Amino acid sequence: QSALTQPASVSGSPGQSITISCTGTSSDIEAYKFVSWYQQHPGKAPKLMIYDVSYRPSGVSGRFSGSKSGNTASLTISGLQAEDEADYYCNSYTTTGAWVFGGGTKLTVL
Amino acid sequence: QLQLQESGPGLVKPSETLSLTCTVSGGSISKSYYWGWIRQPPGKALEWIGETYYTGNTYYSSSLKSRVTISVDTSKNQFSLRLSSVTAADTAVYYCARRREYYSGLEFWGRGALVTVSS
Repeated sequence: QSALTQPASVSGSPGQSITISCTGTSSDIEAYKFVSWYQQHPGKAPKLMIYDVSYRPSGVSGRFSGSKSGNTASLTISGLQAEDEADYYCNSYTTTGAWVFGGGTKLTVL
Repeated sequence: QLQLQESGPGLVKPSETLSLTCTVSGGSISKSYYWGWIRQPPGKALEWIGETYYTGNTYYSSSLKSRVTISVDTSKNQFSLRLSSVTAADTAVYYCARRREYYSGLEFWGRGALVTVSS
């Protein structure tokens, strides 16, 4: 299965909102509600931010939200803060029974 | 609080087998969870390797399937990764993680273990 497609980088100023897209196919994102998003700071393990397309784990800020339309999932971060600067990865279940990650997006807070 | 800890050799020679163990503490491995391995080459993206259910059912990435074995030892509360015939391209930080059954989302992760493939 090929990696999901994410923009290499996005940027925004503090207080603004940004959206990161994650494009797959009819064999992964479009087929299931099983899309998750991860935040990774340098040298750290990834942290789950969104699961099942739009659900936030306990403790994750309400500024993070997820959605899906067709074969594209999106992560939106509102009220950008300096601490949001990190790499973000999407992940989806596939029709083969495997999971696949996106190529990652580097978020820069200007 | 659940904790996962990867352990194993940090250096493996080309053509040999990489072996890592993930020890689970603060909770039982014998419940309705999937236990998985993910890797990240230096400066690159995350790559899903595979996962196992506590009963031993396994699922692997199609690109690594011929070289990967994931197993679970419920008596030790551990699960393991074996990757055979390694090359320099297998150099990466290897993470173990847990996913709840019927949900997406790897909610608990280990800190990661760097494995370098070099002679």
